[in-house]
Amino acid sequence: RKEVEQDPGPFNVPEGATVAFNCTYSNSASQSFFWYRQDCRKEPKLLMSVYSSGNEDGRFTAQLNRASQYISLLIRDSKLSDSATYLCVVRTMNGATNKLIFGTGTLLAVQP
Amino acid sequence: DTGVSQNPRHKITKRGQNVTFRCDPISEHNRLYWYRQTLGQGPEFLTYFQNEAQLEKSRLLSDRFSAERPKGSFSTLEIQRTEQGDSAMYLCASSSSGTGYGYTFGSGTRLTVV
Repeated sequence: RKEVEQDPGPFNVPEGATVAFNCTYSNSASQSFFWYRQDCRKEPKLLMSVYSSGNEDGRFTAQLNRASQYISLLIRDSKLSDSATYLCVVRTMNGATNKLIFGTGTLLAVQP
Repeated sequence: DTGVSQNPRHKITKRGQNVTFRCDPISEHNRLYWYRQTLGQGPEFLTYFQNEAQLEKSRLLSDRFSAERPKGSFSTLEIQRTEQGDSAMYLCASSSSGTGYGYTFGSGTRLTVV
């Protein structure tokens, strides 16, 4: 079982739609949580951190449920420019261990 | 210095050859990471340095792979006797100490073994 699991998609949605991505993680010792965005053949870039209280950045809302080990990302009013792969990421720090673990990513294609 | 720099951007090599990649992190970042990404997968952790000390290596990192960060600044990743399965994007990232921070990734080195 992968440490971070995501639905790979693709999610094909029309412009203006609301789309939600979900992710689960298996290591209860994970301490920090992120969503990264990766455009085709580019490096991943941090989209937003995820907190238990939920956090919002414009059209993007992220939520963490530690009890269920579940992370979500909601994108409202999708734009063509939102088309990318969205990577769910957890960070574990334990002694010498300090690394980000990535899910396989969910591909979003926003259609005109 | 506005980001993480990786060289070369692309590398095509014949099977059995050795290759070396370089990563220059953001100057004030003391942590440096190497990841590998293949098509349709998320980045997979390879190894992690804090300053010049290599603190963790993935089991993915076979004995043909070696990474160094001799002065706690730039890092090199060498692959000896390359195999076709080594074809991937090799990503370097850096971060500062402290929890809750994401990493800044370089543009990667795309390796093709023919």
